[in-house]
Amino acid sequence: GDSVTQMEGPVTLSEEAFLTINCTYTATGYPSLFWYVQYPGEGLQLLLKATKADDKGSNKGFEATYRKETTSFHLEKGSVQVSDSAVYFCALLIFYNQGGKLIFGQGTELSVKP
Amino acid sequence: EAGVAQSPRYKIIEKRQSVAFWCNPISGHATLYWYQQILGQGPKLLIQFQNNGVVDDSQLPKDRFSAERLKGVDSTLKIQPAKLEDSAVYLCASSLDRTGFGYTFGSGTRLTVV
Repeated sequence: GDSVTQMEGPVTLSEEAFLTINCTYTATGYPSLFWYVQYPGEGLQLLLKATKADDKGSNKGFEATYRKETTSFHLEKGSVQVSDSAVYFCALLIFYNQGGKLIFGQGTELSVKP
Repeated sequence: EAGVAQSPRYKIIEKRQSVAFWCNPISGHATLYWYQQILGQGPKLLIQFQNNGVVDDSQLPKDRFSAERLKGVDSTLKIQPAKLEDSAVYLCASSLDRTGFGYTFGSGTRLTVV
C-alpha cells in the first residue's frame, strides 16, 4: 500500500550545521509530496511541497526535490537555527475514488543547540 | 483568515468514559478530516467528510468512534467507551475541496485516557 518512511530521530545538530532528513515513499500513481512541521504545542504547518517529478519545493531556507527515480523527497537546509527545532513530517497526497488523502511518515524530531 | 478551531485543547478521562471533540473548519472549506496522532507516530486519517457526507471512514474504529458534520460546517468526533490506547492528539483539518490541496490543520485536542 501507499506509505512514507522517514529517517528516525531525534536528530541533534549545532546551530549553523547542515540538515538532511531522509524521506522515501511507496505509492501507486503520481502523488504530490509535502513536508510539514510541528512546533511544540502547535498544529501542523505546511513547510513546502512538490507536485511532480523533479519539482523543487522551498520555504524558509528549506528545500526538497521530488525524485521519482529514487522515490525520495529528502529535506535539506544549509544552516539550521535554534528556532528550527521541531518535528518534521514527510507526507504524500494520493488520490482515491473518494478524493485526496494525506499519508504521513512517522516524523523526525530535530533539536538544534546553540 | 481564521484558522481551523478545535476544542478542548486538553482532555483527561478514565477508561470506559465517553468524550467528544469539536472542530470548526475554515469558512468555505467543503472537506473536513479527522486525524489521530499517537505519540511518536505520524497522523493517521480517521474520517473524511465532503460537505456533510462521509467520503472515507475506512480507518475509523466504528465500534467506539463516531463522527458527524451537521450542515456541512462544524464537526464532532466522539469516543465511547474510551480505551487506554485512544490516548493521542486528535487533529482536525479542512481543505477547499476533495482534491485535498490547501489542507489546513487545527492545533489539535490532546486526549489522555487513564
